[in-house]
Amino acid sequence: KAGVTQTPRYLIKTRGQQVTLSCSPISGHRSVSWYQQTPGQGLQFLFEYFSETQRNKGNFPGRFSGRQFSNSRSEMNVSTLELGDSALYLCASSYGVLSYNEQFFGPGTRLTVL
Amino acid sequence: KNQVEQSPQSLIILEGKNCTLQCNYTVSPFSNLRWYKQDTGRGPVSLTIMTFSENTKSNGRYTATLDADTKQSSLHITASQLSDSASYICVVSSNDYKLSFGAGTTVTVRA
Repeated sequence: KAGVTQTPRYLIKTRGQQVTLSCSPISGHRSVSWYQQTPGQGLQFLFEYFSETQRNKGNFPGRFSGRQFSNSRSEMNVSTLELGDSALYLCASSYGVLSYNEQFFGPGTRLTVL
Repeated sequence: KNQVEQSPQSLIILEGKNCTLQCNYTVSPFSNLRWYKQDTGRGPVSLTIMTFSENTKSNGRYTATLDADTKQSSLHITASQLSDSASYICVVSSNDYKLSFGAGTTVTVRA
């Protein structure tokens, strides 16, 4: 079974731009969650989508948004990029809601904001 | 204040030695506790997931323990190998569908 895939793997943007990251979950998984990881803050939860509905949201500004499609693929969008948005963005999928089910992480997208 | 505290922040051990990582949490109501291993530049990989009723769970040379009364967990690595060099993250799930993450412990195994 193919694992979680994320595209692109690396991205360089400048301040003020916007970016869209993509995540394809493991086949059959209905939950997709997104995380931001920085050296200083560790892993921080952004949001979880389950069956196209946002179930949970972390403490991030409205510039961070996401959606999930009917095939469970998910996208995350960050608008008006700031230098502090430079991070590794991880996506994880699980069969059911992530808090009760094992989640599998993708390799991440490394975003650099200049 | 973070609801999941891990210690130590980092440690260095010699190949073949054992080590134990700690995780203390205040998350309530508790659902389950997970340990992940994250190699540099990669996504975390699940090692164990334990519910309230489980005290010990093993995955090869990794053994996790859980004391739900004292809200403490440990991850024991036996006969460490160079490939065990990684960050180990403790994650606690609550019954209201939220996950709380520890900051991680960075383990370096030296030959």
